[in-house]
Amino acid sequence: GENVEQHPSTLSVQEGDSAVIKCTYSDSASNYFPWYKQELGKGPQLIIDIRSNVGEKKDQRIAVTLNKTAKHFSLHITETQPEDSAVYFCAAYNNNDMRFGAGTRLTVKP
Amino acid sequence: SQTIHQWPATLVQPVGSPLSLECTVEGTSNPNLYWYRQAAGRGLQLLFYSVGIGQISSEVPQNLSASRPQDRQFILSSKKLLLSDSGFYLCAFSTGGAGQPQHFGDGTRLSIL
Repeated sequence: GENVEQHPSTLSVQEGDSAVIKCTYSDSASNYFPWYKQELGKGPQLIIDIRSNVGEKKDQRIAVTLNKTAKHFSLHITETQPEDSAVYFCAAYNNNDMRFGAGTRLTVKP
Repeated sequence: SQTIHQWPATLVQPVGSPLSLECTVEGTSNPNLYWYRQAAGRGLQLLFYSVGIGQISSEVPQNLSASRPQDRQFILSSKKLLLSDSGFYLCAFSTGGAGQPQHFGDGTRLSIL
């Protein structure tokens, strides 16, 4: 089955800096890669996603890149703000099977 | 709009007691439904998923069971809770077939004493 690894487990950046979170997956048939943001005491919220026929997708300060050959994808947050502080999860989907990374705790220091 | 509701938000139960967590979805029909458990500081472990009424697939052997008595209702149950059942339980749904995002409820924090 699919195995998703996520790094780093914790990330601390200064407000205004960029943050990058990386994930690798094992199943080359995986074709959909969402990213979720989870705030304390809440469920994960979808923030951006990318499909295997696309290499990059951007939504304001958030972007995701996908390298199918290397089987890795990354989340990029630019101009970070304190409200970006949360736990971020990547996931890889194949054949009704969604596998999540272990999460990255992002802290943005004002 | 499509929404998902989970309750209760928090629950404290003694070991050996039964459990029933409920999840309902509004604004869509025939969703795929999921139950996850999230251990502290860990990722999401899929427990059950359902593609239709009465259709339940279990991902891991455990002390829990799931049922889907109505199209948009998903219930997580146990007859006798164990200490190891403590955790944060999340319900999610997806629509539109394969490869669609899952949308999560706000979870239930379950503590077993």
